[in-house]
Amino acid sequence: DAGVIQSPRHEVTEMGQEVTLRCKPISGHDYLFWYRQTMMRGLELLIYFNNNVPIDDSGMPEDRFSAKMPNASFSTLKIQPSEPRDSAVYFCASSLGGAGGFYNEQFFGPGTRLTVL
Amino acid sequence: EDKVVQSPLSLVVHEGDTVTLNCSYEVTNFRSLLWYKQEKKAPTFLFMLTSSGIEKKSGRLSSILDKKELFSILNITATQTGDSAVYLCAVEARRGAQKLVFGQGTRLTINP
Repeated sequence: DAGVIQSPRHEVTEMGQEVTLRCKPISGHDYLFWYRQTMMRGLELLIYFNNNVPIDDSGMPEDRFSAKMPNASFSTLKIQPSEPRDSAVYFCASSLGGAGGFYNEQFFGPGTRLTVL
Repeated sequence: EDKVVQSPLSLVVHEGDTVTLNCSYEVTNFRSLLWYKQEKKAPTFLFMLTSSGIEKKSGRLSSILDKKELFSILNITATQTGDSAVYLCAVEARRGAQKLVFGQGTRLTINP
């Protein structure tokens, strides 16, 4: 398996532009997570999906951020309009939900490094 | 609010030394605690701990959980330069949530 795939790997954009990050989870996994990592705040969960349905978006910073999962093999995280403080590494991760609700390992993608000028 | 705190934030040692990384947590409905290693890119899974006092071991790395005092430690013995990384502690709270709360991480540097 190729693992979790994210694109682009690097994105440099100007303030006010729309940014779309993409993720393909590991085939068969039913959970998908979007994280943001910065030096100041560490690794933060933004939103996660189970069977393509958003379960918890309490980590989404504000209305400028939105995420979708139209099918089991694809998800997007969109920032519109982008701001310099959105500069971070954005990780996508996927996992297979354990029986009885037990935790199973999350596999992380390589991340997208976003720079907003 | 669920919280995970790691210490130290940064640590520099010489190859061959033994290090202990700390993780304390305050979460409602604790389920499990996880350790991840992050080198230049994505975090990779090391251990999951659910029960107090039971050591998990993988080569030179070991970890233990104390659910009464709400902390975990990660030990690395005979460190090597390849152990240089950020070590992340995360806690899963709430049954079935699959949701992790991460600490800030400890940046470990091993000098030859």
